[in-house]
Amino acid sequence: EAQVTQNPRYLITVTGKKLTVTCSQNMNHEYMSWYRQDPGLGLRQIYYSMNVEVTDKGDVPEGYKVSRKEKRNFPLILESPSPNQTSLYFCASSLRGSNQPQHFGDGTRLSIL
Amino acid sequence: DAKTTQPPSMDCAEGRAANLPCNHSTISGNEYVYWYRQIHSQGPQYIIHGLKNNETNEMASLIITEDRKSSTLILPHATLRDTAVYYCIVRGDNTDKLIFGTGTRLQVFP
Repeated sequence: EAQVTQNPRYLITVTGKKLTVTCSQNMNHEYMSWYRQDPGLGLRQIYYSMNVEVTDKGDVPEGYKVSRKEKRNFPLILESPSPNQTSLYFCASSLRGSNQPQHFGDGTRLSIL
Repeated sequence: DAKTTQPPSMDCAEGRAANLPCNHSTISGNEYVYWYRQIHSQGPQYIIHGLKNNETNEMASLIITEDRKSSTLILPHATLRDTAVYYCIVRGDNTDKLIFGTGTRLQVFP
């Protein structure tokens, strides 16, 4: 089954403790992206990647890192999480091109205390 | 990318057609209209997209006006499970990015 898989689905942690949210897709998609969703602010793009070893900042990249060493994986790294990164996170992937729909994962709810 | 305007909320009786409008008056000729929905806090789900012609798939129909300044998403027989926030997004041909607005909260009632 074609899917985008995020792990963990839920995480409660403390300020400053490094964490990684994994994202994997099995559709051989070139494009992958991370979004965060906050009440009243909608979905905002954090980082994106157009292919292996190619990543770029989205609209709200501060406090996050990403890597794209393999086509299928696009982990989101919070080196020193802070409470303002408490949010609902989504990973998405697609083939390149504006005629290609993006497919989203089920989300990761992070709480930083 | 062109901006979109959607009503904040709509109601629909179960079994009836749900018609969700979207205005995108500044759309340019090479920009696609996409529709996604988000059920509660699940990941956004792709529904349908189109450029100029009307489109239909197993989930919905997309009607785009001839001048392309507005479109309507039609769920032909709404069910309670269609209760969700529906996002209309205009996407340019030089970007893979999706810009989500506030969407329309559709409530389907029995």
